[in-house]
Amino acid sequence: KQEVTQIPAALSVPEGENLVLNCSFTDSAIYNLQWFRQDHGKGLTSLLLIQSSQREQTSGRLNASLDKSSGRSTLYIAASQPGDSATYLCAVISGTYKYIFGTGTRLKVLA
Amino acid sequence: GAGVSQSPSNKVTEKGKDVELRCDPISGHTALYWYRQRLGQGLEFLIYFQGNSAPDKSGLPSDRFSAERTGESVSTLTIQRTQQEDSAVYLCASSLRQEYNEQFFGPGTRLTVL
Repeated sequence: KQEVTQIPAALSVPEGENLVLNCSFTDSAIYNLQWFRQDHGKGLTSLLLIQSSQREQTSGRLNASLDKSSGRSTLYIAASQPGDSATYLCAVISGTYKYIFGTGTRLKVLA
Repeated sequence: GAGVSQSPSNKVTEKGKDVELRCDPISGHTALYWYRQRLGQGLEFLIYFQGNSAPDKSGLPSDRFSAERTGESVSTLTIQRTQQEDSAVYLCASSLRQEYNEQFFGPGTRLTVL
């Protein structure tokens, strides 16, 4: 059974810092992995989608990497801003079409 | 074009009442998914539609939960005889097709059962 874990559960950093969020999964046979952002009380916003054949994706200040063999993905946020404060979720699809979500990392960027 | 929309955005109901939650997927998306997010917990898969058929209902928590979809359009999630543990945010997502395509999420419906 696929399990997805995110570390840390919560993170507080000063504005301008670069930071890394971690996601690990137990079954390396995944089809893709997606990072989302969830603002308090809101739905999910897709940030980056990494297909199983890819090793990383970049969008603006965000970079996500994928190492299937070790069951890990990282989301790198450069030059963090207070507007980046949110919960970040990773989700994998393995074997079926439904996403298996991690429990998220709550990020707070202090001005 | 418009994204995934859901209605209502908030619903407060009394224990024992039935509720209907609505999802309008992105036009042209054949696959539609329902998830639930209870307070302090991760998202749980409920049900998946390909067109108007539901090949996987395995995530529905009990027979009080049902869902239907009209063609490749609107879906409704119905919860009968609501219980307090049904309180959660119900999220809908759609994708172009089922095969591991990127899912786009709606804003969710926050259900509170008193």
